[in-house]
Amino acid sequence: DAMVIQNPRYQVTQFGKPVTLSCSQTLNHNVMYWYQQKSSQAPKLLFHYYDKDFNNEADTPDNFQSRRPNTSFCFLDIRSPGLGDAAMYLCATSREPWSGGWDTEAFFGQGTRLTVV
Amino acid sequence: ILNVEQSPQSLHVQEGDSTNFTCSFPSSNFYALHWYRWETAKSPEALFVMTLNGDEKKKGRISATLNTKEGYSYLYIKGSQPEDSATYLCAFIVSESGGGADGLTFGKGTHLIIQP
Repeated sequence: DAMVIQNPRYQVTQFGKPVTLSCSQTLNHNVMYWYQQKSSQAPKLLFHYYDKDFNNEADTPDNFQSRRPNTSFCFLDIRSPGLGDAAMYLCATSREPWSGGWDTEAFFGQGTRLTVV
Repeated sequence: ILNVEQSPQSLHVQEGDSTNFTCSFPSSNFYALHWYRWETAKSPEALFVMTLNGDEKKKGRISATLNTKEGYSYLYIKGSQPEDSATYLCAFIVSESGGGADGLTFGKGTHLIIQP
């Protein structure tokens, strides 16, 4: 059974129209991450939540926001999508943060492929 | 900026042959290295979490080695099968005061195709 679920799998949005991607987990993990992978590039961390604490990467554009209303759900909001935001967006979880000295793997969803038209 | 390099970018291997590929990462401030397998239309799935220099890990026909002093890890697949076709991603975690950074720095992956 899928433990990290992303919806939708494919999302087409219009240039400049706000869009929300969702992620849910059944693992009860404390940490949730959002990664962006553009074509032929490495996945890049956008931000993560440790419980309710939000941590933004320094180079994540302001256009990207996130919400975590409870342990199970995390959302990625793109306020005004541009053509350059077309990518695969991966949600991941880990039981505890690596900053706490934990040797734990990350669990990923299948990703949402975002197309901007 | 952390640089994680994987080579080759893609690889075609005959079924039954063995193969290996490389992940290079910064040798300073090492905390951990992860290997993930990402099959088409599925989620990336962890293969190995490696933390110690000289670590060797094995899962079935797949094994990995780690050299933190020189900054590389090898992934080996013995007797390749069609189901091994996937993108193999390595991910580096830099060490930060008592633990690791909160996030994986990925390479671009090695895209492996097993030909029957």
